[in-house]
Amino acid sequence: DGGITQSPKYLFRKEGQNVTLSCEQNLNHDAMYWYRQDPGQGLRLIYYSQIVNDFQKGDIAEGYSVSREKKESFPLTVTSAQKNPTAFYLCATHPGQGAHEQFFGPGTRLTVL
Amino acid sequence: QKEVEQNSGPLSVPEGAIASLNCTYSDRGSQSFFWYRQYSGKSPELIMSIYSNGDKEDGRFTAQLNKASQYVSLLIRDSQPSDSATYLCAVIFNDMRFGAGTRLTVKP
Repeated sequence: DGGITQSPKYLFRKEGQNVTLSCEQNLNHDAMYWYRQDPGQGLRLIYYSQIVNDFQKGDIAEGYSVSREKKESFPLTVTSAQKNPTAFYLCATHPGQGAHEQFFGPGTRLTVL
Repeated sequence: QKEVEQNSGPLSVPEGAIASLNCTYSDRGSQSFFWYRQYSGKSPELIMSIYSNGDKEDGRFTAQLNKASQYVSLLIRDSQPSDSATYLCAVIFNDMRFGAGTRLTVKP
């Protein structure tokens, strides 16, 4: 994680509520990503952004929304349209051209009550 | 067909032994390969990257890549109980794709 912070660490949501997960980085990395991890499954890509004010859908974008107004920040909103949101949410960054590795924040565990 | 496949385990080895973790991938055009370690309840941590066929060593870790066989592996020498974790294989296609992970237990 290092220069990537996610908050809150734990989040509880009632059905029908929208919640926003925060991801902030001070690494000056261009690209940011949101993944979802369910038990026994690999990470699945929700959204990613390679530049400010631009973002693309990943494999499971339905029921989620994002914004990228600043290079340092890439918040994820889990909307009420996401029917099974209980999961571990991971934010990652990527330095940009010439590098391929992604680095992860500490994660947010979301539970629907 | 899954894009990145790993045995889910659990893989159990005694302390001091060599742990061997395997991963296969479906896209022959992939050029970048990574191993992440994930402790229970924590986020993945990058431990190895490999881009060329052959072996790459870093301390007790060795990554092996065989692009012709579409196979990448991770060897952990002198395994320690602190190596007990889930190991995720990641491959870049258009974007990064992850396997489901292999859970490794090192018994004292």
